[in-house]
Amino acid sequence: KNEVEQSPQNLTAQEGEFITINCSYSVGISALHWLQQHPGGGIVSLFMLSSGKKKHGRLIATINIQEKHSSLHITASHPRDSAVYICAVRRGGSQGNLIFGKGTKLSVKP
Amino acid sequence: GAGVSQSPSNKVTEKGKDVELRCDPISGHTALYWYRQRLGQGLEFLIYFQGNSAPDKSGLPSDRFSAERTGESVSTLTIQRTQQEDSAVYLCASSLQGAGNTIYFGEGSWLTVV
Repeated sequence: KNEVEQSPQNLTAQEGEFITINCSYSVGISALHWLQQHPGGGIVSLFMLSSGKKKHGRLIATINIQEKHSSLHITASHPRDSAVYICAVRRGGSQGNLIFGKGTKLSVKP
Repeated sequence: GAGVSQSPSNKVTEKGKDVELRCDPISGHTALYWYRQRLGQGLEFLIYFQGNSAPDKSGLPSDRFSAERTGESVSTLTIQRTQQEDSAVYLCASSLQGAGNTIYFGEGSWLTVV
C-alpha cells in the first residue's frame, strides 16, 4: 500500500462545478503539500499545510491530522484548472524526502 | 533569479554516454531537492541537499547517479553510462530551510536516452 493515496485518479467536471480531491496518508508528517502540474510538466506549489485550512482564490485546502487526511477543493471550476494535482507529505522529523501521491488528473470541460 | 532555473530543458543522448543536469535554485534557499518523473509515473525523490551537503540521498537509483552542490547554490546531477530507463524529466526544487516552507520547482530537464 502506498504511503500517500489520492482519489480519484481521474476526474472530469463541467465548468462551474465544485471539485474535491482527497489525499490520505499513513505516516506521521510535519507538512503536506498540494502541487499542480500542467501538461507541459511544470509544477507549482499551491499550498503547504500542517494544520487547519488555507484558502487562495478559488482553491481551498484542508487537513485533518488525526484522521491523516487532506482535501483540495476548487470552487467555480474553469477549464484552465485542468491539470494533475499532486499531494505530497514530508515525514515528521524529516527535512528532505517528500512522499508523493500518484496524482489526480482533472479535466474541466467548458 | 526569480525562480528555480534548470538546464538543459531538453537533452537527447545516446545510451552509454554521461549527462549533467544543472539546477540554479532561488537565491537564499539552502534546501535543494532533485526528483524524477518517468513518463506516466509519479514523482520520485532522488536526493536532498542542505547547504552543500546531502543528508538524504536515499532515492538515487544506482551508483551511476551522483549529485553535488557548491556555494550553497548551483547543483549538478550527473548520470553516468546512461540507460534507456533513465529517460525521464528531472525536476529540481528549492526552499528555505525548515519543513514548513513552500517548495519551488523548476521547469525540469527532459532527458531522452536513445
